[in-house]
Amino acid sequence: GESVGLHLPTLSVQEGDNSIINCAYSNSASDYFIWYKQESGKGPQFIIDIRSNMDKRQGQRVTVLLNKTVKHLSLQIAATQPGDSAVYFCAENILFGNEKLTFGTGTRLTIIP
Amino acid sequence: DTAVSQTPKYLVTQMGNDKSIKCEQNLGHDTMYWYKQDSKKFLKIMFSYNNKELIINETVPNRFSPKSPDKAHLNLHINSLELGDSAVYFCASSQGEIGTEAFFGQGTRLTVV
Repeated sequence: GESVGLHLPTLSVQEGDNSIINCAYSNSASDYFIWYKQESGKGPQFIIDIRSNMDKRQGQRVTVLLNKTVKHLSLQIAATQPGDSAVYFCAENILFGNEKLTFGTGTRLTIIP
Repeated sequence: DTAVSQTPKYLVTQMGNDKSIKCEQNLGHDTMYWYKQDSKKFLKIMFSYNNKELIINETVPNRFSPKSPDKAHLNLHINSLELGDSAVYFCASSQGEIGTEAFFGQGTRLTVV
């Protein structure tokens, strides 16, 4: 549903530490998940995606973990840098069924120098 | 080269006016989308088009009319603007399965006064 009335969750992490951003998705039938990064004044930027036949996928400094049992998705960012400060969104979809990405609320990540 | 470009970046207008936002993608993608982001940063799909055909109309008021003259363009026309239409509107495009990795434009901040 919509996030009206909800504050954007925030996470503050020391530069160089690892960050973990969590997301609870809503539809147990969803089989495709994606993480986006949105910097201030810009559009969302693709980070990494994962399909439901996988539990883990790694990219450059990022790892996405999927736990279908509890409908939970996480994004791990290794060795965070100031440029990682942004709002991070997870999104879900049912491929060939829903044909649209449904976005979560978003988490604001702030990197402390 | 900008992959997904929207114009204008900012739009301030009075209630009751009609306005258009233009979107062009040079990625050769078949599917284009319009998303609305509210003041709480919540992203919600409005429309999707695949090869100029409407795929999704997500219960958007009919004051909003998308138009796709070709698969590289998806414009959004809004009639009789209301205060609640104030938001950031994002155009996006994707290739392959609909509702997978989408590339977003930089957004159009619409303010209705």
